[in-house]
Amino acid sequence: KQEVTQIPAALSVPEGENLVLNCSFTDSAIYNLQWFRQDPGKGLTSLLLIQSSQREQTSGRLNASLDKSSGRSTLYIAASQPGDSATYLCALRPGRRTDSWGKLQFGAGTQVVVTP
Amino acid sequence: EPEVTQTPSHQVTQMGQEVILRCVPISNHLYFYWYRQILGQKVEFLVSFYNNEISEKSEIFDDQFSVERPDGSNFTLKIRSTKLEDSAMYFCASRATYADTQYFGPGTRLTVL
Repeated sequence: KQEVTQIPAALSVPEGENLVLNCSFTDSAIYNLQWFRQDPGKGLTSLLLIQSSQREQTSGRLNASLDKSSGRSTLYIAASQPGDSATYLCALRPGRRTDSWGKLQFGAGTQVVVTP
Repeated sequence: EPEVTQTPSHQVTQMGQEVILRCVPISNHLYFYWYRQILGQKVEFLVSFYNNEISEKSEIFDDQFSVERPDGSNFTLKIRSTKLEDSAMYFCASRATYADTQYFGPGTRLTVL
């Protein structure tokens, strides 16, 4: 059974420091993995999607890597700002494309605080 | 930029009552989803919907739950007889054909008393 884990559960860094957020999964049979940002009481904002055939994906200060063989994805946020304070969730789409209609399985998230 | 919208933002109901949560997916999207997040827990998949029928559902999505696309724009989740444990944030999501990114709405917080 696929398990998705995010450690640590919470992280506090000073402004300007690079953020490294981890997501691990137990079954390497994944179709893609998506990183989301969740602000308190709000919805989920998609940040990056990385396909199973890709090693990394970049958007601005964000970079996500994927290593299926070791069951890990990492989200890097360069030069963190107080506005980056939020909970970051990873979610994977398990199996092959034909196995599912796109349901996502989520990790519990890492709560990030960037202090000025 | 197009976005998924959900109404109401907060719904309070008595145990045993029926509730309908509404979602308007992004207009050209054809795949629709409901997820829920109980306070302090992971976001959980409930159901996916395509071509006017359920394509996949989780164990949580029992006979008390139903989904419907009553017209060309709305997508609803109905809970027939709410229980205390149904209290959660319910998220609607949609995605386009031949695309993988799911776009989430802001959620409806359901409180069952």
